Amino acid sequence: AQRVTQPEKLLSVFKGAPVELKCNYSYSGSPELFWYVQYSRQRLQLLLRHISRESIKGFTADLNKGETSFHLKKPFAQEEDSAMYYCALTSRGSARQLTFGSGTQLTVLP
Amino acid sequence: KAGVTQTPRYLIKTRGQQVTLSCSPISGHRSVSWYQQTPGQGLQFLFEYFSETQRNKGNFPGRFSGRQFSNSRSEMNVSTLELGDSALYLCASSPVLRNYGYTFGSGTRLTVV
Repeated sequence: AQRVTQPEKLLSVFKGAPVELKCNYSYSGSPELFWYVQYSRQRLQLLLRHISRESIKGFTADLNKGETSFHLKKPFAQEEDSAMYYCALTSRGSARQLTFGSGTQLTVLP
Repeated sequence: KAGVTQTPRYLIKTRGQQVTLSCSPISGHRSVSWYQQTPGQGLQFLFEYFSETQRNKGNFPGRFSGRQFSNSRSEMNVSTLELGDSALYLCASSPVLRNYGYTFGSGTRLTVV
């Protein structure tokens, strides 16, 4: 069974400080991992996915297969980064479904 | 490019009734997935449709069903509603064959009283 764990429900950092949102997963095969973000009163949207290795809004995430982690990082947090962040995992192949973590509410303080 | 459209936005139903929710995916997206979001359980996968066929199903009772039409639009139905079915129901579309992340709709907020 696949599982995603986000150990922090709430995370607060000051503007300009580095931020790291933790995500650990368990999956027996080779997963595809994503970070989704939901800003206040907006729909859930894709932030980034590990296979593209891109940086969106200054966020990066590196897949660490040894530690089965996919932590989301940003060197300098901005107030507009305040949102709910979900880590998600999907299996490869035709039978795809997203398994979400429980989410981390990030608040960036002025 | 229009996003994923879900209708209606809000619904209030009584226990025992049934409800049908609709989702129109992004043009060209052939896969539609449904998720239930609640404060207690978070986001849970309901089912995925591709080319009018259910490809995968989550761990929900048979009261939850869905279908997809030839234009990729999808509906989900919940029969014999229970109070615990109150949730935000999200639809997500994907080209599926290109291994992209999903694009989500705004959801339908269902309240069962």
